[in-house]
Amino acid sequence: GENVEQHPSTLSVQEGDSAVIKCTYSDSASNYFPWYKQELGKRPQLIIDIRSNVGEKKDQRIAVTLNKTAKHFSLHITETQPEDSAVYFCAAVTGANNLFFGTGTRLTVIP
Amino acid sequence: DARVTQTPRHKVTEMGQEVTMRCQPILGHNTVFWYRQTMMQGLELLAYFRNRAPLDDSGMPKDRFSAEMPDATLATLKIQPSEPRDSAVYFCASGLVRANEAFFGQGTRLTVV
Repeated sequence: GENVEQHPSTLSVQEGDSAVIKCTYSDSASNYFPWYKQELGKRPQLIIDIRSNVGEKKDQRIAVTLNKTAKHFSLHITETQPEDSAVYFCAAVTGANNLFFGTGTRLTVIP
Repeated sequence: DARVTQTPRHKVTEMGQEVTMRCQPILGHNTVFWYRQTMMQGLELLAYFRNRAPLDDSGMPKDRFSAEMPDATLATLKIQPSEPRDSAVYFCASGLVRANEAFFGQGTRLTVV
């Protein structure tokens, strides 16, 4: 199946700084790349996604980029706030519509 | 507000006992996923169903785990016999094939002692 790798596993930033999380995938047929945010003790929830026919997508302070040739995609959070502290998961949806997750990044925003 | 519903929310059981976790997908969704979350392994895919048919259960230990969808409103994950290493949070998620997005339930926190 698909193999999704995610880095870093932990990330600490000062409030107001930017945070970047990077992921790679192995299956060239994967065509949809969602990002989920999981707050402590809660379920993962979708925050942004990108399809394979798009290189970049932005929603307020968060943006995702996709490089299909290199098979990597990234999440960018600008002007970070304490409420951004959570675990973030990247994922890839394969041609068979199966959904594979990366191992997660624990982001801590220091006030 | 449509949600994926999982029961029970918490389960403590003794080693060797059978455990059954249940999931009610959002009405109309045709894909169902089961994931196991531990601190070390992130979200590990156990099983994937589309239109109630199991398409991928390669991540599931076959000797003790089984997943079924007896009907479109119920998915089950069973562990028999349970072991302490099965202690984790088990999430169910559902979605639509054409939309790709998956919605998660609140999870079942399983502790095997």
